[in-house]
Amino acid sequence: QSALTQPPSASGSPGQSVTISCTGTSSDIGVYNYVSWYQQHPGKAPKLMIYEVTKRPSGVPDRFSGSKSGNTASLTVSGLQAEDEADYYCNSHAGSNTWVFGGGTKLTVL
Amino acid sequence: EVQLVESGGGLVQPGGSLRLSCAVSGFTFSNYYMNWVRQAPGKGLEWVAIINQDGSETQYVDSVKGRFSVSRDNAKNSLYLQMNSLRAEDTAVYYCVRGESGAFVIWGQGTKVTVSS
Repeated sequence: QSALTQPPSASGSPGQSVTISCTGTSSDIGVYNYVSWYQQHPGKAPKLMIYEVTKRPSGVPDRFSGSKSGNTASLTVSGLQAEDEADYYCNSHAGSNTWVFGGGTKLTVL
Repeated sequence: EVQLVESGGGLVQPGGSLRLSCAVSGFTFSNYYMNWVRQAPGKGLEWVAIINQDGSETQYVDSVKGRFSVSRDNAKNSLYLQMNSLRAEDTAVYYCVRGESGAFVIWGQGTKVTVSS
């Protein structure tokens, strides 16, 4: 049950695209398509942004997209907006109905 | 409107116990897996426990196994987390979360637990 690895920070200017990586192992991201991403603004509860690697819940802008290759998943935010500035966390199933989060990435909109 | 409302947090001494509750409304509680996720001050998210729809299956993160117990009462639309032998490192905001499609879909606002003497 080791945490997934995310970069501590990422940044981009308004209108640009930013990609946040999430690296796991062959026991979690590498074998399961249950990878999800969460956005958390300060003092607020997290919000689901992407599930099952690439799917967006209703109401999430299509500027947010997810992908996976091998043991690494990625979240891309296109057309950055000021309100996208937040902490982002990835999550993966890790077998036997256990789940593991990444350490989080603070996204700054310059 | 879907709502998850946690309660029961507070200040407890190391070695003590606390029972968290989560009152659910706005959806058929008995149809869903439910989870507890916590966040220590200034830190990231940590999945803590999961329980299946009828309460017959549970699973925990290694750090709380043998100390925490998750349960549910579908007649009362409520989820619980019994926390025993609490340690300073259990200090966190605890979120009640509805699971679906391998994700944490609906989150409560959280209840704060502080373990300190």
